[in-house]
Amino acid sequence: SQKIEQNSEALNIQEGKTATLTCNYTNYSPAYLQWYRQDPGRGPVFLLLIRENEKEKRKERLKVTFDTTLKQSLFHITASQPADSATYLCALDSPRRALTFGSGTRLQVQP
Amino acid sequence: DSGVTQTPKHLITATGQRVTLRCSPRSGDLSVYWYQQSLDQGLQFLIQYYNGEERAKGNILERFSAQQFPDLHSELNLSSLELGDSALYFCASSVFPGATNEKLFFGSGTQLSVL
Repeated sequence: SQKIEQNSEALNIQEGKTATLTCNYTNYSPAYLQWYRQDPGRGPVFLLLIRENEKEKRKERLKVTFDTTLKQSLFHITASQPADSATYLCALDSPRRALTFGSGTRLQVQP
Repeated sequence: DSGVTQTPKHLITATGQRVTLRCSPRSGDLSVYWYQQSLDQGLQFLIQYYNGEERAKGNILERFSAQQFPDLHSELNLSSLELGDSALYFCASSVFPGATNEKLFFGSGTQLSVL
């Protein structure tokens, strides 16, 4: 069955550094992959979408890569700020035709 | 504010009871999704409706049911509640499911506590 893996351990980095989060998937070839941000007690908020034929996508300080050979997406936040602290979820379209989410990685940016 | 409204925000009930969670999608969105989020399971897809019809089904228990009404709002009914049903239930909406640029807009969720 389709499986999405994100690092369950929290990522702690210093303000100003680049945060890199990983999303790996197996047993499927998604047409696109999305990244969401979730703050405690709130619903996920859409950040970026990247299609299978795109290698990289950027939006302000955010960058997403999509390697369909490795079945992996990397999510980068450059010049990180304490306000970037949150849980980041990757999501893939699935045979069920609804987005399937990874369990998320919590990012903590220290001032 | 995502434009998706969920009520109630908090719900406390006892085992064996039945509850109804309500969701109003963003104006213009035809598709509604329900997700369950618990600490050990992450965000789990339950069910999706499009323009009143069930479109996709995920890991939804038989004790749970949902529907989407003509005005496009949706309700998720949870019955014979068990302690393990305690979770945060999210509703999300999108304009049209299956589009290559489909993205979901989530409500703020209903926190269900079964005691």
